[in-house]
Amino acid sequence: NAGVTQTPKFQVLKTGQSMTLQCAQDMNHNSMYWYRQDPGMGLRLIYYSASEGTTDKGEVPNGYNVSRLNKREFSLRLESAAPSQTSVYFCASSEALTGYSGNTIYFGEGSWLTVV
Amino acid sequence: EDKVVQSPLSLVVHEGDTVTLNCSYEVTNFRSLLWYKQEKKAPTFLFMLTSSGIEKKSGRLSSILDKKELFSILNITATQTGDSAIYLCALTGTSGTYKYIFGTGTRLKVLA
Repeated sequence: NAGVTQTPKFQVLKTGQSMTLQCAQDMNHNSMYWYRQDPGMGLRLIYYSASEGTTDKGEVPNGYNVSRLNKREFSLRLESAAPSQTSVYFCASSEALTGYSGNTIYFGEGSWLTVV
Repeated sequence: EDKVVQSPLSLVVHEGDTVTLNCSYEVTNFRSLLWYKQEKKAPTFLFMLTSSGIEKKSGRLSSILDKKELFSILNITATQTGDSAIYLCALTGTSGTYKYIFGTGTRLKVLA
């Protein structure tokens, strides 16, 4: 099973360039998330999508946009990359937002993004 | 404001030692607490806890939740070098919006 797949795995951008991180899940999950992980900061939520057709801001949304293209796919766009956006980005999904018994969150492998 | 605090931030032990990792939290309308292990890539799921006092166990790892004192612990007995990783604690359940809130993690290094 593929689970959560995100691309690209590695990317180097110049300041001001734009790019889109793609994410797809094959578990028929309703909810999807984008996190960034920086040393000493843990996983911080950028945006999330409770269900197809809805998106909401997380803790650190500035400089990013998202699209929930369909139930499977949730993309993250950097319109004008900045060095502060150098990070590891994780896409994740879960059956639903709420943590009822049996509901866990599954992560993609991560995308290492460097902005120079 | 909802928050998750993990301690210690980092820990170095020798193989065979027992370690206890802590996760304390403040969250409105608690629903569940999850533990993850993160090695080089994506976090992998360890445990989900929803009720106080019920120990979850998987091999040398175990975890328990105290909803009165608002914390959880993750125990690892007879540690091995393969246990070296970042251990993340996450909460679900906030007032109004529902999302997973992660702690900064505890970085565990087990020396041979």
